Amino acid sequence: DQQVKQNSPSLSVQEGRISILNCDYTNSMFDYFLWYKKYPAEGPTFLISISSIKDKNEDGRFTVFLNKSAKHLSLHIVPSQPGDSAVYFCAAPLSARQLTFGSGTQLTVLP
Amino acid sequence: ETGVTQTPRHLVMGMTNKKSLKCEQHLGHNAMYWYKQSAKKPLELMFVYSLEERVENNSVPSRFSPECPNSSHLFLHLHTLQPEDSALYLCASSQDAAGVYEQYFGPGTRLTVT
Repeated sequence: DQQVKQNSPSLSVQEGRISILNCDYTNSMFDYFLWYKKYPAEGPTFLISISSIKDKNEDGRFTVFLNKSAKHLSLHIVPSQPGDSAVYFCAAPLSARQLTFGSGTQLTVLP
Repeated sequence: ETGVTQTPRHLVMGMTNKKSLKCEQHLGHNAMYWYKQSAKKPLELMFVYSLEERVENNSVPSRFSPECPNSSHLFLHLHTLQPEDSALYLCASSQDAAGVYEQYFGPGTRLTVT
């Protein structure tokens, strides 16, 4: 059973607007979360992470929010750019060396 | 070369062939991973190596055989594969240190089994 879930397989956003990608998890023991971005024909690229001691982490246009009580995290991209069009995966460590990934959300930023 | 590289990028093989996938990391990491990504599915971890020792094997069929000769190189030897093994095979590496979870991926090998 998937412990990290991305329920929206796709999302389309207009250039310049905010993109919000969502991720839910079931394991309350998770204490660290990661977001990866994947372009076609490339491997996933690490984007941003957050520790459970925080509820927000920001890096340029990318901000991740963590709501522990709801077991929910979200990635905000603002302003969205056409180059942000990619598949976004959230992930959490099951152990020191094993990440479990969501199934991904395809973001399309329309010019 | 920088980061994590994988060769070949594309591979078509018959069910009776034997082939190998190669991964090399230039990041000074000491853990390496093989993942499988099938269409519309999450990434599936196959094998983990730490300091050239296999530390995890996630119930992968024996027709997949990993090899890690040193901390920079990782191979996946393939033999008598099935068409359902067609997928994107990704290699990754990490620092394998306490509290460091970020893994860095190669571009993948797109495998088609005919």
